[in-house]
Amino acid sequence: QSALTQPASVSGSPGQSITISCTGTSSDFGVYNSVSWYQQHPGKAPKLMIYDVSNRPSGVSNRFSGSKSGNTASLTISGLQAEDEADYYCNSYTISSTWVFGGGTRLTVL
Amino acid sequence: QVQLEESGPGLVKPSQTLSLTCTVSGVSISSGTYYWNWIRQPAGKGLEWIGRVYGRGSTNYNPSLRSRVSLSVDTSKNQFSLYLSSVTAADTAVYYCARQFSGTTPLDSWGQGTLVTVSS
Repeated sequence: QSALTQPASVSGSPGQSITISCTGTSSDFGVYNSVSWYQQHPGKAPKLMIYDVSNRPSGVSNRFSGSKSGNTASLTISGLQAEDEADYYCNSYTISSTWVFGGGTRLTVL
Repeated sequence: QVQLEESGPGLVKPSQTLSLTCTVSGVSISSGTYYWNWIRQPAGKGLEWIGRVYGRGSTNYNPSLRSRVSLSVDTSKNQFSLYLSSVTAADTAVYYCARQFSGTTPLDSWGQGTLVTVSS
């Protein structure tokens, strides 16, 4: 299975909004709405930020939102804050009962 | 609250088998519908899903690693284990264990990760 496609990097200024895309195939996204997004700070384990395309776990800021259209999922972060600077990974449950991650996107807060 | 902790040798020789254990606390590994996953991350690179084992023993593997990977559960110790054979330097990575509540739910709880280096 190939990794989902994410931009290598995105950036934004404090207070702005950014969107990170995640593109796959119908085998990656077509059957289940099990798309998740993880935030990873350097040296730390990934943290679940969005699940089932657009749901936020308890404790995650409502500045984080997710969506999906066809074979592309997106993560939007509004009101950027310095603490949002991290790597972000999308993840999808596939038709083969496996998980596939995106290559990761480095978010820089200018 | 569930907690996961990886353990095992930090250094493995090429061609040998990498063995890691994830100790689970706060929940019985065989209860409910939990799936127990392994994910790895080479330095400076992205996450790669390795495979998962259901609390009662069934498994799913990343097709690219299937020929070298085996996962198992030890319910008496509340642990699950990863075995990766014929390792090379390309298998050097931080290895994470993580839990899924059920088959298609996200990886909601992660261990802190353990670095495994493959080198002679």
